[in-house]
Amino acid sequence: AQKITQTQPGMFVQEKEAVTLDCTYDTSDPSYGLFWYKQPSSGEMIFLIYQGSYDQQNATEGRYSLNFQKARKSANLVISASQLGDSAMYFCAMRDLLRGGATNKLIFGTGTLLAVQP
Amino acid sequence: ETGVTQTPRHLVMGMTNKKSLKCEQHLGHNAMYWYKQSAKKPLELMFVYSLEERVENNSVPSRFSPECPNSSHLFLHLHTLQPEDSALYLCASSQADSGQFFGPGTRLTVL
Repeated sequence: AQKITQTQPGMFVQEKEAVTLDCTYDTSDPSYGLFWYKQPSSGEMIFLIYQGSYDQQNATEGRYSLNFQKARKSANLVISASQLGDSAMYFCAMRDLLRGGATNKLIFGTGTLLAVQP
Repeated sequence: ETGVTQTPRHLVMGMTNKKSLKCEQHLGHNAMYWYKQSAKKPLELMFVYSLEERVENNSVPSRFSPECPNSSHLFLHLHTLQPEDSALYLCASSQADSGQFFGPGTRLTVL
């Protein structure tokens, strides 16, 4: 069965510094996708970044980058130059395809609460 | 602006009430999802609809009844809920095997 593990319940980082949020996964499927979402206190889940299992390069989106280490089954999120607005819950998720790929469901980790300090 | 809207944003109901949550997506996606997020628990997938057909029901109690009249709208009908059903209910949509885009959620409190 697929599983996502986030071992950091909470993290602190100083404004303008970089922070790494850990995520490890377990799957027997050769093809999979990994996502990171941000959930501020308002509740909305905001998509940040995606990494496919066959992607040759680590995904990057602005200040977000994904440190994908396939052999170790890890997909850590790196946020550079942290801002106060980055304070939120961060969830790592894995895609589980349904119906031959017509739809999918996401398996989520328990999340990491990031607090950016001024 | 994610293109997925949910109403109401907050709902308080008694255990004997009947209410409905509404989700609408403006992204042209063909799949829609209901998730439940309880305190200190991972998000739990409740239902998946693809092209208005339910493709997954994750052992959700019958007091939750989904409805998908078309590819843009998804409802969750609630009746005789329990206090432990209090949670944030999130709707999401996707196109084929793309990532999911979420709505802002409905925070439900059952008294």
